[in-house]
Amino acid sequence: QVQLQESGPGLVKPSETLSLTCTVSDGSISGYYWSWIRLPPGKGLEWIGYIFSSGNPIYNPSLKSRVTISVDMSKNQFSLKLTSVTAADTAVYYCARINGVNNWVGPWGQGTLVTVSS
Amino acid sequence: SYELTQPPSVSVSAGQTASITCSGDRLGHAYASWYQQRPGQSPVLVIYQDTKRPSGAPERFSGSNSGNTATLTISGTQDMDEADYYCQAWDSSNVLFGGGTKLTVL
Repeated sequence: QVQLQESGPGLVKPSETLSLTCTVSDGSISGYYWSWIRLPPGKGLEWIGYIFSSGNPIYNPSLKSRVTISVDMSKNQFSLKLTSVTAADTAVYYCARINGVNNWVGPWGQGTLVTVSS
Repeated sequence: SYELTQPPSVSVSAGQTASITCSGDRLGHAYASWYQQRPGQSPVLVIYQDTKRPSGAPERFSGSNSGNTATLTISGTQDMDEADYYCQAWDSSNVLFGGGTKLTVL
């Protein structure tokens, strides 16, 4: 069973860029869609975006101007960059696999809490 | 894109049947998936493609999708089923999540 693990800073200052990496193990990143999803405190899940293993990212329209998702097949990793962060971007960030367009999400990483604070 | 609407909370007595709904204008034209999330844990898939149960999901979980409403049904609800539940669907190329429903087992 493929496993995913998020990594990156747990604290980011307002107006700076949040950067996270997801490492995929026990399986290839090739041939699948890979996604970032977040859970703000006290709120529901929010889809951030996804990318196919060969590229072509799709972003949530509400975050599109600030988000970049990229993939590094040589390292079996994909990454998230979110610019100009504010306290509203504080959340647990999950990486996950998407099993095809119009299909389900899973498996998921364990999630990593990112706090935006000075 | 459209929104997926879930009730914020549902309560059920242990051993009874719980139903959680998910409504959306174009939901009938897309597959619905359902995820269970316990506090401090990652979401876990319990239903996909409207009615299918992944390996490892208990048989008491079932799903349906008709018209503009998808429904997750938990038969013989157990204490361990107390969690947040999210529906998920697609709108064109975008992934949508419902706002989540907190299931309380009394």
